[in-house]
Amino acid sequence: DTGVSQDPRHKITKRGQNVTFRCDPISEHNRLYWYRQTLGQGPEFLTYFQNEAQLEKSRLLSDRFSAERPKGSFSTLEIQRTEQGDSAMYLCASSPTLGLAGTDTQYFGPGTRLTVL
Amino acid sequence: SQQGEEDPQALSIQEGENATMNCSYKTSINNLQWYRQNSGRGLVHLILIRSNEREKHSGRLRVTLDTSKKSSSLLITASRAADTASYFCATDRRGGKLIFGQGTELSVKP
Repeated sequence: DTGVSQDPRHKITKRGQNVTFRCDPISEHNRLYWYRQTLGQGPEFLTYFQNEAQLEKSRLLSDRFSAERPKGSFSTLEIQRTEQGDSAMYLCASSPTLGLAGTDTQYFGPGTRLTVL
Repeated sequence: SQQGEEDPQALSIQEGENATMNCSYKTSINNLQWYRQNSGRGLVHLILIRSNEREKHSGRLRVTLDTSKKSSSLLITASRAADTASYFCATDRRGGKLIFGQGTELSVKP
């Protein structure tokens, strides 16, 4: 059973550059979530998808951020014109569709650590 | 903004002792989950307790939920050095997104 995978695991970029992260969820999971975590804090919700539809976006997700899940499988998170404040761990999680018993659990990937210089 | 608040922020115990972490939250929830995170890594799901449940066990873990007080506790019995990690509670309102607390950093000394 393969879990949630994320690529790359680490990314160092210069301020102003664009970066893109990829998340591959557990194959039968319909829901996919993105979170951001800064040092010493808990993860903060960014956005989530039900299949290919983006259902909710946090106000943390400025217009420099865009997320896609084009075929309802993997997802990408792009940050344009990166700023030093974007430095964080970006976590992806997936879960089966809500409504089925015991399926609220979200399974997290290892994260992508972004450092903006 | 964070919904949950964990208490204490840091906890240091000896191997074999029990560790208790508390979580408070602000609004009504569908369920509450506890996660563990080892340094710099992803989160591992530990246990989920639904709003109509009061207590749940999984191995050395015991979780309680008091919806009237909007609080939960996680008890780890007979702790091991490998339990050293950060522990987060996360609440889930209908819709699926999780709202995390700031976490409790647990250190278990051998």
